Amino acid sequence: SQKIEQNSEALNIQEGKTATLTCNYTNYSPAYLQWYRQDPGRGPVFLLLIRENEKEKRKERLKVTFDTTLKQSLFHITASQPADSATYLCALVPGGSYIPTFGRGTSLIVHP
Amino acid sequence: NAGVTQTPKFQVLKTGQSMTLQCAQDMNHNSMYWYRQDPGMGLRLIYYSASEGTTDKGEVPNGYNVSRLNKREFSLRLESAAPSQTSVYFCASSWEMNTEAFFGQGTRLTVV
Repeated sequence: SQKIEQNSEALNIQEGKTATLTCNYTNYSPAYLQWYRQDPGRGPVFLLLIRENEKEKRKERLKVTFDTTLKQSLFHITASQPADSATYLCALVPGGSYIPTFGRGTSLIVHP
Repeated sequence: NAGVTQTPKFQVLKTGQSMTLQCAQDMNHNSMYWYRQDPGMGLRLIYYSASEGTTDKGEVPNGYNVSRLNKREFSLRLESAAPSQTSVYFCASSWEMNTEAFFGQGTRLTVV
């Protein structure tokens, strides 16, 4: 069956360090992958999209990689700040139907 | 621009009662979605509307109905609420199915 895995345990890091979040999937052939941020009591907010033929995408302090051989996407936040503390969700979008499926999210806590 | 607006923000229902969750977007998006989010389960797609005039079932459609009233509005109806439908409901919209989604602020529903 299709499965998306994100670390269920919170990631705790110190301010200024690089945070790396993982999204692994099985039995999917995503056309592309999206990353969202969700704050408590709020709806998810889109951050980045990466296509299957792209290896890496950057936006300011954010970087996403996509390895279709490993079936994995890594989401990096460089020079992390306490304001980056939130839950980060990955969403896989298959070609054809384009119906997105979300992972359960990973909580990031950046300590000052 | 308001983006995606959901009403109500909070609701308590008794088992067996019915209600409709309203959603409207002002971004001229073609596609709209209803998700539910439960602790430890992530976002799960209930129904979606790829374009005005079409609706389709998502991963967890049982107990729900939807109406795409026009391009702006997409409502979710619970005909006979059950405690298992206690959840946070998010409406989202996107330009097309394969583009990033914009989410509303959510409706926190409790069925007692």
